[in-house]
Amino acid sequence: EDKVVQSPLSLVVHEGDTVTLNCSYEVTNFRSLLWYKQEKKAPTFLFMLTSSGIEKKSGRLSSILDKKELFSILNITATQTGDSAIYLCAVEYQGAQKLVFGQGTRLTINP
Amino acid sequence: EPEVTQTPSHQVTQMGQEVILRCVPISNHLYFYWYRQILGQKVEFLVSFYNNEISEKSEIFDDQFSVERPDGSNFTLKIRSTKLEDSAMYFCASRTDRVNSPLHFGNGTRLTVT
Repeated sequence: EDKVVQSPLSLVVHEGDTVTLNCSYEVTNFRSLLWYKQEKKAPTFLFMLTSSGIEKKSGRLSSILDKKELFSILNITATQTGDSAIYLCAVEYQGAQKLVFGQGTRLTINP
Repeated sequence: EPEVTQTPSHQVTQMGQEVILRCVPISNHLYFYWYRQILGQKVEFLVSFYNNEISEKSEIFDDQFSVERPDGSNFTLKIRSTKLEDSAMYFCASRTDRVNSPLHFGNGTRLTVT
């Protein structure tokens, strides 16, 4: 059964800290891994990763995929209170239409 | 920036009633999806839709559920004879192509079945 596991489930840090969120997967015929940020309602797209070892970056956020070890990390540097959200990891595999989601990491940034 | 829009934002219905959740995907997108998230649980895939037909569905998507694209813009999820366990946030999503584009999600419809 395809499985996506995120850790930690919850993380509380102070503004300015750097955080690393983890996502591991057990998916056969992997196609891509996606990161989403969910604040109040809609998951909003952050990154889509298909190739191992290539970092994707957007401002203070970056992400990388390791297809050999079957995991991805999402880094956020110089965190701000606006980064507080649930971060979702999802995996898509070949021959299927669906995304398989992890349970999410609830990140809280305290001022 | 174009976005996926869903209506209503909140729907309360009695057990056994039928509900229709509505979505307007991003206009140049070709693939459409419904996901749901029961409170405190993972986001779960329900169904994907392409070229006016279902391309994949999950075990959750049984005969109680149906989808339709009645015109060039709307995409609907119908739930017949709702059950208490259908209470969840229902997300519509769309993408331009199947392989190289991410899903874009709407803000969801919170369905409460009493």
